[in-house]
Amino acid sequence: EIVLTQSPGTLSLSPGERATLSCRASQSVTSSYLAWYQQKPGQAPRLVIYGASSRATGIPDRFSGSGSGTDFTLTISRLEPEDFAVYYCQQYGSSPRYSFGQGTKLEIK
Amino acid sequence: QVQLVQSGAEVKKPGASVKVSCKASGYTFTAYYMHWVRQAPGQGLEWMGWINSNSGVTNYAQRFQGRVTMTRDTSISTAYMELHRLRSDDSAVYYCARERSVNFDYWGQGTVVTVSS
Repeated sequence: EIVLTQSPGTLSLSPGERATLSCRASQSVTSSYLAWYQQKPGQAPRLVIYGASSRATGIPDRFSGSGSGTDFTLTISRLEPEDFAVYYCQQYGSSPRYSFGQGTKLEIK
Repeated sequence: QVQLVQSGAEVKKPGASVKVSCKASGYTFTAYYMHWVRQAPGQGLEWMGWINSNSGVTNYAQRFQGRVTMTRDTSISTAYMELHRLRSDDSAVYYCARERSVNFDYWGQGTVVTVSS
């Protein structure tokens, strides 16, 4: 079973700063099958990055994804107020076929 | 535009079943798989399974096998998730999500299910 571990649990930053969120897999994940989602309170998740590094429709270019194998990163270059949310990584592949990390809360400092 | 509209909140007693619906619009319903994901209060996301909206074939996460049933009605572009033998720890927000190339590109608004005696 692949387990995705996200760090840090909470990240406190100010608007304009750079955010780096980590997702580590217990086994290698095919890059094509690693995605990131953003969730704001009371809302459904929103696809941000797919295929480890491709931005979803409507996602601004301050969001970028990178990584391969077991280590993946979501970077937000200059935080805007609307970026503060919880972010989840998600993999498709080994059992369970789809799984999520536990999330990183990005909060305003 | 693509929309997934879910049924309203439910309150159920332990041991009962709940059936949540997800009505799709703005795209060809049968062209995409539909997944169900749940989120317990203050917790992360948990994948439950998928249904092939065209064929009706399903695939459930192991921990829900035997307790979940996913169906669809193509005539009204609606997917359903029924969870049986409810327990208090099944209290959660249940989401349907459309799959596009192993990613979840559109989500329903969520349905709150509360299990309480």
